[in-house]
Amino acid sequence: AQTVTQSQPEMSVQEAETVTLSCTYDTSESNYYLFWYKQPPSRQMILVIRQEAYKQQNATENRFSVNFQKAAKSFSLKISDSQLGDTAMYFCASRDDKIIFGKGTRLHILP
Amino acid sequence: KAGVTQTPRYLIKTRGQQVTLSCSPISGHRSVSWYQQTPGQGLQFLFEYFSETQRNKGNFPGRFSGRQFSNSRSEMNVSTLELGDSALYLCASTGQTNERFFGPGTRLTVL
Repeated sequence: AQTVTQSQPEMSVQEAETVTLSCTYDTSESNYYLFWYKQPPSRQMILVIRQEAYKQQNATENRFSVNFQKAAKSFSLKISDSQLGDTAMYFCASRDDKIIFGKGTRLHILP
Repeated sequence: KAGVTQTPRYLIKTRGQQVTLSCSPISGHRSVSWYQQTPGQGLQFLFEYFSETQRNKGNFPGRFSGRQFSNSRSEMNVSTLELGDSALYLCASTGQTNERFFGPGTRLTVL
């Protein structure tokens, strides 16, 4: 069965620090996609970054980057130079035939 | 392009009633998926439609149903509401690179 596990329910870091959110997944498919979504308080869910499983290169979007370890089925998100606006719930997701989300990590950026 | 829209944004119903939620995807997107978000269970996949056909279904009872129209707009229906159906219901349309674009959600409260 397809599963996504986020082992950190909640994290807090100081502004400008670097933080890494963990995610592990399981799928029987060889072709799949991985995503990180951000849901700010009382706001819409938005895509942060995506990774195609067949690509070895880790995806990067400005301050956001991933560490994709395919053999270990690990897909962590690194946020560099964290900002107050990064405070949100972060969801890891995998998609083969359907998309499955982890339970989320609530990230607090402290001033 | 306009984003994904969902109506209504808030809804209060009583147990036993039924409810219909509506979702309009981003123009040109033909796939719509629905999710239930609760604090305890996180984001759970309900179903996905593509070109008016249900392509995938999550593990929800038959009280949860949906459909998609020829203009890609989608509705989901929940019959015989239970207290546990109180949740944020999110709709997403799928972009060309498989990411989901989420709407603001409909917050359903069942009393």
